Amino acid sequence: QQQVKQSPQSLIVQKGGISSINCAYENTAFDYFPWYQQFPGKGPALLIAIRPDVSEKKEGRFTISFNKSAKQFSLHIMDSQPGDSATYFCAAECGRNRDDKIIFGKGTRLHILP
Amino acid sequence: EAGVAQSPRYKIIEKRQSVAFWCNPISGHATLYWYQQILGQGPKLLIQFQNNGVVDDSQLPKDRFSAERLKGVDSTLKIQPAKLEDSAVYLCASRQSGLRADTQYFGPGTRLTVL
Repeated sequence: QQQVKQSPQSLIVQKGGISSINCAYENTAFDYFPWYQQFPGKGPALLIAIRPDVSEKKEGRFTISFNKSAKQFSLHIMDSQPGDSATYFCAAECGRNRDDKIIFGKGTRLHILP
Repeated sequence: EAGVAQSPRYKIIEKRQSVAFWCNPISGHATLYWYQQILGQGPKLLIQFQNNGVVDDSQLPKDRFSAERLKGVDSTLKIQPAKLEDSAVYLCASRQSGLRADTQYFGPGTRLTVL
């Protein structure tokens, strides 16, 4: 099974700082890259997603940067707030009739210091 | 809009016992997924339904796991017999269609502990 490698495993950031989480993938058939936020006791919730035909996507304080040649993508949280403290998962998807249709990274536990 | 509903929220069983989980997706959502999330890891896709047909079950351990979505609405996932390594949170998710542009909505999950 192809993997999506996510780093770091955990991250502590001061309030107001930038939180950055990185993911790398192997399968070039992946064509959709979402990020999910998960709070304890809840299911993951879609935060932002990007397709490989763009290098950056921004929604509010959340930005995805995408490097197709390096097969890497990152989530950046600007002006991080204590309410952003959660576990973040990157994922990669590809279409039907391909292997590894939906693969999640192992997650990053983010803690924002007040 | 009501979210994805799952029950039970928690289940504790002995190994070799059977267990079943239930999921009711968001109304009108054609695609339904079951994931297994082991503590400290990301969700792992077990099975994907499009309406009442199976799209992908390549990672479902078919010797002990089974799932159905008979009327294309709610779904059940069964484990028989359970093993210790099945301890995990089982997440159900749904999508309006099979298109990746549609948001995948997750339920709160069922936490299974196998003793």
